[in-house]
Amino acid sequence: DAGITQSPRHKVTETGTPVTLRCHQTENHRYMYWYRQDPGHGLRLIHYSYGVKDTDKGEVSDGYSVSRSKTEDFLLTLESATSSQTSVYFCAIEDRGHEQYFGPGTRLTVT
Amino acid sequence: KNEVEQSPQNLTAQEGEFITINCSYSVGISALHWLQQHPGGGIVSLFMLSSGKKKHGRLIATINIQEKHSSLHITASHPRDSAVYICAVSPSNFGNEKLTFGTGTRLTIIP
Repeated sequence: DAGITQSPRHKVTETGTPVTLRCHQTENHRYMYWYRQDPGHGLRLIHYSYGVKDTDKGEVSDGYSVSRSKTEDFLLTLESATSSQTSVYFCAIEDRGHEQYFGPGTRLTVT
Repeated sequence: KNEVEQSPQNLTAQEGEFITINCSYSVGISALHWLQQHPGGGIVSLFMLSSGKKKHGRLIATINIQEKHSSLHITASHPRDSAVYICAVSPSNFGNEKLTFGTGTRLTIIP
């Protein structure tokens, strides 16, 4: 199994508070992705990274920022959480051109 | 309209039955992925294919590029195959940063 972890696994927070989710890999893969999964929607890309300090927006990037200061860590930040950001967040890693490996997910509830 | 459509949305079958899940897409692609999401939420990549057919154990994935259609077959189904199966496509000339996901097929195998 690919070495990919997410933290925290569950979080409940209040509207307006900042939240940071962490994705950590031990595979030294260049590409890392953040997705959200909501009922009735397929997985949707928030942001992705193609190297240290190299990131780009996905389909649903509004309200989210990311940072990647080292190969193994990709952080997703909600600057001011809203109820519409209640979701399950998945991180994925990829050896370019091959299958993606997904983390276990983080369930975020914004009250 | 989703670029990726899966059918059926839900499927219940008896143990031992042959299962077929379908995926249709509307854009030219460089690759098609089949993923499995277990009730606990974890997502696993099953196949990545761009032509023909791939087989892994009791799972077989086929793709018809001309018809923009793929099928996932499960032979001798077992209750442990119960999961959500997700189809995703990478558009032509792009990598997985443009993956578009279907909403999934929920499969339940009854003992």
